[in-house]
Amino acid sequence: DIVMTQSPDSLAVSLGERATINCKSSQSVLYSSNNKNYLAWYQQRPGQPPKLLIYWASIRESGVPDRFSGSGSGTDFTLTISTLQAEDVAVYYCQEYYTTRPTFGQGTKVEIK
Amino acid sequence: EVQLLESGGGLVQPGGSLRLSCAASGFTFSAYAMSWVRQAPGKGLEWLSFISGSGGRTNYTDSVKGRFTISRDNSKNTLYLQMNSLRAEDSAVYFCAKGAPRVPFDYWGQGTLVTVSS
Repeated sequence: DIVMTQSPDSLAVSLGERATINCKSSQSVLYSSNNKNYLAWYQQRPGQPPKLLIYWASIRESGVPDRFSGSGSGTDFTLTISTLQAEDVAVYYCQEYYTTRPTFGQGTKVEIK
Repeated sequence: EVQLLESGGGLVQPGGSLRLSCAASGFTFSAYAMSWVRQAPGKGLEWLSFISGSGGRTNYTDSVKGRFTISRDNSKNTLYLQMNSLRAEDSAVYFCAKGAPRVPFDYWGQGTLVTVSS
């Protein structure tokens, strides 16, 4: 199974500031035949189920604010929240869906400083 | 509007069994693979199993293989997870999710809590 490792485990950011979360996979999730990275980001607010934010590493799901962006390729990926809002307090997970046994990162908790 | 509603969770003794259900609506259920994902208290997300739209293909993570069985009834738009030989470490919130390997999980249910304890 692919191991997904996120960093940091938690971060505190001031309102309006940038938050950056990194995700590293133990093997490439870039499928050469279609040049797509099988990497998604999810947001889980307290007491809620996860919500899909980003897929194919950089495509925002419908309705997701444009302050959320994803980047990276191969084994290294980043989720950026450009200007942190109060409602962005949550745990964020990366996930590979390249394999038939998808795996998640351990999660990164984002709080307000 | 896509809706996924899990049920069937509860308190069960170690070694016992439980069957979870996930009622789906708002999309053509039989056209999509579905998965079960769980989250132990205060922990991260763990994918457990997926089943293809027709039900003909399934896969499991190692920790539940041989103990859990995923199935679906497309005539009832319902996904199931039969859980046998339950252990304390199976205690978690169990989510059903639309999606499977090779596609992201674009919709999730609210989850149902399973507690394995004597």
